[in-house]
Amino acid sequence: AQSVTQLGSHVSVSEGALVLLRCNYSSSVPPYLFWYVQYPNQGLQLLLKYTSAATLVKGINGFEAEFKKSETSFHLTKPSAHMSDAAEYFCAVSDQAAAGNKLTFGGGTRVLVKP
Amino acid sequence: EAGVTQFPSHSVIEKGQTVTLRCDPISGHDNLYWYRRVMGKEIKFLLHFVKESKQDESGMPNNRFLAERTGGTYSTLKVQPAELEDSGVYFCASRLGGFNNEQFFGPGTRLTVL
Repeated sequence: AQSVTQLGSHVSVSEGALVLLRCNYSSSVPPYLFWYVQYPNQGLQLLLKYTSAATLVKGINGFEAEFKKSETSFHLTKPSAHMSDAAEYFCAVSDQAAAGNKLTFGGGTRVLVKP
Repeated sequence: EAGVTQFPSHSVIEKGQTVTLRCDPISGHDNLYWYRRVMGKEIKFLLHFVKESKQDESGMPNNRFLAERTGGTYSTLKVQPAELEDSGVYFCASRLGGFNNEQFFGPGTRLTVL
């Protein structure tokens, strides 16, 4: 079975400051890892994904994440927060070996950006 | 290209009533998923269609939930009879065939059972 833990259900950052959202996963098989973002009244949008190629993954809107197998982590970062980054962020895992690709999500982290 | 659409966006019903949620995937996407987020909890997988066939329904909570995908196009998720604990946001996602393609999510249907 797979599981995902996101540390902190709410994070507050100042505009221009570093955004760091933590994600740890548990998987008995090599995982695919994802970060999704949900803006108000919209569906989840894929920010980036790790699929066993480069461990440092760059995504949209200046976000990146690093896969660290030894730490079972996939933390999301952005060097400088914008007001538009205020949203809820979800880390998710799927099983590389399973054709279905169903996603197991963490609890989500809501980001507030202060001016 | 149109994204994944869901209808209705909100639904408020009484306990014991029936509700049907609809999802229209991106055209050409054989894979369709339903997920649910109950208040304060994580988003959880419900089931997965490949075309009109149920590939994996391991996440369906109980037999009050019935999902169909007629002709491999749109899908419906019926809850009958609805209970209070069914309240939450129901998301639909679709994906092209083949391995490792992205799931595209709809905006969700917020279901409130009173």
